[in-house]
Amino acid sequence: SYELTQALSVSVALGQTARITCGGNDIGNKNVQWYQQKPGQALVLVIYRDDNRPSGIPERFSGSNSGNTATLTITRAQAGDEADYYCQIWDNTARYVFGTGTKVTVL
Amino acid sequence: EVHLVESGGGLVQPGGSLSLSCAASGFNFWTSAMNWVRQAPGKGLEWVSHISGNSGITTFYADSVKGRFTISRDNSENILFLHMNSLRADDTAVYYCAKEEISETEGYSGSFYDYWGQGTLVTVSS
Repeated sequence: SYELTQALSVSVALGQTARITCGGNDIGNKNVQWYQQKPGQALVLVIYRDDNRPSGIPERFSGSNSGNTATLTITRAQAGDEADYYCQIWDNTARYVFGTGTKVTVL
Repeated sequence: EVHLVESGGGLVQPGGSLSLSCAASGFNFWTSAMNWVRQAPGKGLEWVSHISGNSGITTFYADSVKGRFTISRDNSENILFLHMNSLRADDTAVYYCAKEEISETEGYSGSFYDYWGQGTLVTVSS
């Protein structure tokens, strides 16, 4: 089965840049999505197909994908960006695969 | 505005059954693919099941629920269902419904979940 690996946690100083990685075998050849999860709120799509932002998502959120690693970058981090972030891909065998999730803390 | 509202969760004994519903509004439900995704307490997201839009002729299931869960839809009422049988303790989770946007050019490999519900908690315990 296909696995996506994320760091358990990432800390970022207020106003600085956070990078959240998602590792998977040849993930660069797959489309990667990123979802934000805050306590008590519905999950939100923040990046789709590697580097596309849905309407309403700030430009501070960007994505990239190459080789065996996809990255979600949050620039000028704000307190409101504190959340769990999950990457996700489609695999022909495993179907929809989620990463293990990364908790982002803004210091 | 898109709304997805899950219901039907609760406490059920191991081996029991439960049916979840997801009421949809604010988009063309009948043409939209839909999914169920779950999250065990303190754990990450796990995809559970998919149903295609229109007639819902195509369904997929995670190996962990295959043969026990059935996904269906009522396009006349804009409701998505998940019928769960032979429930086990490890089925305990918050269950989310999610609308899927499928790429016209890339198919499932270009799909993503653009809207999610708030979830309903299923607890399997004696």
